[in-house]
Amino acid sequence: EVQLVESGGGLVQPGGSLRLSCAASGFTFSSNWMDWVRQAPGKGLVWVGRINGDGSSTSYADSVKGRFTISRDNPRNTVYLQMNSLRAEDTAVYYCARDYDGLSYWGQGTLVTVSS
Amino acid sequence: QSALTQPRSVSGSPGQSVTISCTGTSSDVGGYIYVSWYQQHPGKAPKLMIYDVSKRPSGVPDRFSGSKSGNTASLTISGLQAEDEADYYCCSYTGYSTLVFGGGTKLTVL
Repeated sequence: EVQLVESGGGLVQPGGSLRLSCAASGFTFSSNWMDWVRQAPGKGLVWVGRINGDGSSTSYADSVKGRFTISRDNPRNTVYLQMNSLRAEDTAVYYCARDYDGLSYWGQGTLVTVSS
Repeated sequence: QSALTQPRSVSGSPGQSVTISCTGTSSDVGGYIYVSWYQQHPGKAPKLMIYDVSKRPSGVPDRFSGSKSGNTASLTISGLQAEDEADYYCCSYTGYSTLVFGGGTKLTVL
């Protein structure tokens, strides 16, 4: 059974940093692209970025480019989202998703709140 | 990376069919087969319903179907059921290894 479990969310001040983790199981992790998607309270889904299977290629939404970095540790079956220079508008639930034939599996999400 | 355009809301009675549109450009929806649809119930994670325009993942009822014409993709739900009431999002590949979502459509089953 495929499982994705996000962690690392919480309250952070504007300008601060936070690193989210997504632990995967139930599939060959290193063979799959992984994506991060966020959803501000009461708003729609917004794609954040993605990373390929061996971690050699990443891409990002313009809104986070230069501030967020996606990485992965394949032996640990974990993908990360490093978020720097956080702004109030980054407040959202952050989901990781397995990117194979669509975003085929999603975690339960972790809430990030940027506020002073 | 402008969001794809979806109607804010649609509604239908049980047993009826509804169609949700998703309009983009030739740089996203019109340019690739990688259009997918997601269902999200309140407080839950999204669930993949359609990928590659019209393919259904295992376990998704065949009441859900997808299509595309030009720059507009569509999700059709036939034989509406109460449990179909949810938010629906389209998503498209945009080139340069990026994705974009639509703004979401709230489906109400009357």
